[in-house]
Amino acid sequence: AQSVTQLGSHVSVSEGALVLLRCNYSSSVPPYLFWYVQYPNQGLQLLLKYTSAATLVKGINGFEAEFKKSETSFHLTKPSAHMSDAAEYFCAVSRYSGGGADGLTFGKGTHLIIQP
Amino acid sequence: GAVVSQHPSWVICKSGTSVKIECRSLDFQATTMFWYRQFPKQSLMLMATSNEGSKATYEQGVEKDKFLINHASLTLSTLTVTSAHPEDSSFYICSARVLAVYNEQFFGPGTRLTVL
Repeated sequence: AQSVTQLGSHVSVSEGALVLLRCNYSSSVPPYLFWYVQYPNQGLQLLLKYTSAATLVKGINGFEAEFKKSETSFHLTKPSAHMSDAAEYFCAVSRYSGGGADGLTFGKGTHLIIQP
Repeated sequence: GAVVSQHPSWVICKSGTSVKIECRSLDFQATTMFWYRQFPKQSLMLMATSNEGSKATYEQGVEKDKFLINHASLTLSTLTVTSAHPEDSSFYICSARVLAVYNEQFFGPGTRLTVL
């Protein structure tokens, strides 16, 4: 079984400061890992994904994440926060099945607040 | 590319009635679609996996007779909430997997269901 733990239901940073959102996973097989962003009353937008290639993954909007197997972590970072980054962020894990990635298991989400 | 739509975007119905939600892949063929449920300010929970031309696979605890899923074509999956009750009120989100990009799902914008 897979599980995802996101540390901190709310994270507040100042505009221009470093953003760090934490994600730890548990998986019985090599995982595929994802970060999604959700704005109010909208669906999910993929920020980035790890699928067993490079451990440092770069995504959209200046976000990146590093897969660390020894720490079972996949933390999301952005060097300089922007007001438009305020949203809900979800870390997710999927298994690989014969037909491709399975349905996702999501963490509880982290609400990112940007202080002006 | 890889756009997923849902219809309706929101629906209000009376208790005891049935509601159908459509999920369409607009510019690609999706052999697999997933249905998720999101309660207010909570994470997404996978309800079922829908494969074109076959019966859906439901996650543990999801009532298959209450949440009917049909995936009759490569671009359309439907979720019917039968005999809806207020506790079924939620945000329902579908995603579709592109055959050529097997390790990624594309999410629809979601459907807000309110049962009175």
